[in-house]
Amino acid sequence: QKEVEQDPGPLSVPEGAIVSLNCTYSNSAFQYFMWYRQYSRKGPELLMYTYSSGNKEDGRFTAQVDKSSKYISLFIRDSQPSDSATYLCAMSGSGNTPLVFGKGTRLSVIA
Amino acid sequence: GAGVSQSPSNKVTEKGKDVELRCDPISGHTALYWYRQSLGQGLEFLIYFQGNSAPDKSGLPSDRFSAERTGGSVSTLTIQRTQQEDSAVYLCASSLAGNAGYTFGSGTRLTVV
Repeated sequence: QKEVEQDPGPLSVPEGAIVSLNCTYSNSAFQYFMWYRQYSRKGPELLMYTYSSGNKEDGRFTAQVDKSSKYISLFIRDSQPSDSATYLCAMSGSGNTPLVFGKGTRLSVIA
Repeated sequence: GAGVSQSPSNKVTEKGKDVELRCDPISGHTALYWYRQSLGQGLEFLIYFQGNSAPDKSGLPSDRFSAERTGGSVSTLTIQRTQQEDSAVYLCASSLAGNAGYTFGSGTRLTVV
């Protein structure tokens, strides 16, 4: 079992839809959780950062962490064609361990 | 600079040749990371530098891979005797601290023919 599992998609939704992206993980020591967005032929860019369990909201984006279920989610409201990208979840256990990434979910938002 | 800079952006090399990939992190960032991204795969951790501490080399796939970071700033990833399976995008990232969000460069796309 990989440490971090993420459905690669592709996921295609109409403009304005609510998008739900998810990752599961096996390492109970993980406590830092992040979502990155990667456009084609670019490096990943940090979208959301969460420590431990709970929710965090930033504009149209909401990140949720459920440590009891080892499950994290990213919700995108009112999705736009510019949201079309690959979304990668990432997590680590402490400041001295590098992030472990999921494989990424490819999202297309159709106008 | 304003972001993480990687060079070259693309590199085509013949099997068996050595290659060097360069990363210029954000000024003041003490942590620097190298990852590899193959087609359809997630980011695979290679090596991590934090300040003056010994690097975490636990992700390097073989002894053909090495990296150094000079003066706590610029880093070079070297792949010796390249193989076709080394073809991938090599991404460098830096951060202020180990558990802060990373800032990635645009990567070096390596093709071994």
